Amino acid sequence: DQQVKQNSPSLSVQEGRISILNCDYTNSMFDYFLWYKKYPAEGPTFLISISSIKDKNEDGRFTVFLNKSAKHLSLHIVPSQPGDSAVYFCAASPSGAGSYQLTFGKGTKLSVIP
Amino acid sequence: DAGITQSPRHKVTETGTPVTLRCHQTENHRYMYWYRQDPGHGLRLIHYSYGVKDTDKGEVSDGYSVSRSKTEDFLLTLESATSSQTSVYFCAIRTSASSYNEQFFGPGTRLTVL
Repeated sequence: DQQVKQNSPSLSVQEGRISILNCDYTNSMFDYFLWYKKYPAEGPTFLISISSIKDKNEDGRFTVFLNKSAKHLSLHIVPSQPGDSAVYFCAASPSGAGSYQLTFGKGTKLSVIP
Repeated sequence: DAGITQSPRHKVTETGTPVTLRCHQTENHRYMYWYRQDPGHGLRLIHYSYGVKDTDKGEVSDGYSVSRSKTEDFLLTLESATSSQTSVYFCAIRTSASSYNEQFFGPGTRLTVL
């Protein structure tokens, strides 16, 4: 049973436009949500995160929106640049002490076209 | 850069042979994780460690064992490699400063089992 779902395997966007990557989750125990970026032949890189007590977190060109009632989050990249072309993974974690495990989605491959 | 190295970076082996992958960190973080990444599956947790000699299973632990005899090293062993274990393996750490359970990943090991 997939607890974190990224339903779009790929997305193509023109340079300078907005990229919107979506993620849905099913586990109500998740409190922290994260986005990772992965280039080929490299490890995933932490990008941005948000807590369930917030609905928006912004870091430069990257903004994550959380709709807790819909169990949906999205990553907005504005403006998109060719260097943003990568696979983006959504991840979620419960809060509190424990294993601090992350549950990942399957990823969305973003291609930014010059 | 979280000071994580993985060795080897690439390995080709034959079915039935034992294989050990090493993850090394330089900053004495308590939590370490092993993931595998496969097309269409995202990142899946194999095993994790919460201290020296303290380990537990993740989502896809069958066929894998781990050991952590020193804080800085977390070893993943495939006792008898199978073709289904062909994958890219990532090690990750969680730092004490991780506010939202963010993890930081090593560069990965590409394993091919013939």
